[in-house]
Amino acid sequence: QVRLVESGGGVVQPGTSLRLSCAASGFTFSSYSMSWVRQAPGKGLEWLSAISYDASAQYYADSVKGRFTISRDNSKSTLFLQMNSLRPEDTAVYYCARGSACGGGTCQKLPFDYWGQGHLVTVSS
Amino acid sequence: DIQMTQSPSSLSASVGDRVTITCRASQGIANYLAWYQQKPGKVPKLLIYAASTLQSGVPSRFSGSGSGTDFTLTISSLQPEDVATYYCQKYNSAPRTFGQGTKVEIK
Repeated sequence: QVRLVESGGGVVQPGTSLRLSCAASGFTFSSYSMSWVRQAPGKGLEWLSAISYDASAQYYADSVKGRFTISRDNSKSTLFLQMNSLRPEDTAVYYCARGSACGGGTCQKLPFDYWGQGHLVTVSS
Repeated sequence: DIQMTQSPSSLSASVGDRVTITCRASQGIANYLAWYQQKPGKVPKLLIYAASTLQSGVPSRFSGSGSGTDFTLTISSLQPEDVATYYCQKYNSAPRTFGQGTKVEIK
């Protein structure tokens, strides 16, 4: 079955960095775009970033552009989010999610049908 | 960027009531609209995609409609287990913006 397992969260001080990982299994990771979504305490869902199936394209929300970097290692079926210059307002549960499916040179736009369990990142002094 | 606006932000209804949530996109997104259900402390769950296609395993009391800029999620007969926050999301292109959410409670 499809599984997405995040790791790497924790408590960090403002201005520092953290890298989240999302280990995927149960599907052909290299055929899917992947995204990161976060949810601040008591708030709604915020899409943060996406990466194409082959890592040729990356997309970011304005709120994290220039501070966060999404990447992937298809040989290890793992997605990453490098978070730099962290701010207290980055405190949230971070989810990875599976997106569009690609094959034969074309991609089918799909919603987020599988999500990780979520990982809490707390930015506080 | 396209903005997604949901209404209402919250609602309270009785068991068995018909509940309707609307989502409006600031520009046309064809039918690339998904609805998610998030129960307290849980991971979001995909309910509907392509505006009106029910995800496997989702009860038939949930339905979606719309195309272009205006979309609707309907719960035909509200059940206690439907207490949750519901989000719409566009997925035609990045950014895959979510609506602000609609909290559904039982009266």
